[in-house]
Amino acid sequence: ETGVTQTPRHLVMGMTNKKSLKCEQHLGHNAMYWYKQSAKKPLELMFVYSLEERVENNSVPSRFSPECPNSSHLFLHLHTLQPEDSALYLCASSQDGGADNSPLHFGNGTRLTVT
Amino acid sequence: DQQVKQNSPSLSVQEGRISILNCDYTNSMFDYFLWYKKYPAEGPTFLISISSIKDKNEDGRFTVFLNKSAKHLSLHIVPSQPGDSAVYFCAASDTSGTYKYIFGTGTRLKVLA
Repeated sequence: ETGVTQTPRHLVMGMTNKKSLKCEQHLGHNAMYWYKQSAKKPLELMFVYSLEERVENNSVPSRFSPECPNSSHLFLHLHTLQPEDSALYLCASSQDGGADNSPLHFGNGTRLTVT
Repeated sequence: DQQVKQNSPSLSVQEGRISILNCDYTNSMFDYFLWYKKYPAEGPTFLISISSIKDKNEDGRFTVFLNKSAKHLSLHIVPSQPGDSAVYFCAASDTSGTYKYIFGTGTRLKVLA
């Protein structure tokens, strides 16, 4: 079982819907991340939270809204998305953000399709 | 502007032979490098890392080499096994607390039985 759990695994939503992606980490880490993976593109960092405080917002459109209620949980709220937002959304955690010997641990992702 | 590049989208290797996956980076501030493996329908799994104070790190069949002057790292898998068939991503980080891990586009490795 992965130490980082993401739900749902698959999501299909219309452009006017509101939905949320959930991530939970069981590793005792203090940093959590949202990444987006589109076809033939590198993983794109979206948001980083460290100790529940947002420390990175990588110029992400406001239709994506993260929430980190505690160090174990991370949400990505989705609202009025566009078809080009269809992608694999990956949650990750690490012990210390960017520090040596602190690799990212990923969940299995949510495959999002916007129709 | 891609700071981490994997120029080979795919690689095929015979079982038992060596697989060499390459990665180049442009940012001289990067000082921590990682390799991830990804199977279909799963998230990337951490494989091996190297700090810029080293030029080699080995873990079983996996060895990562770092050439700082060339801004190049490589992952060697020997001997290659069919179960190693996956997409391999390299990533780099500036550990001065930026929280940014920058990934390459990945190389799809196929190990032929």
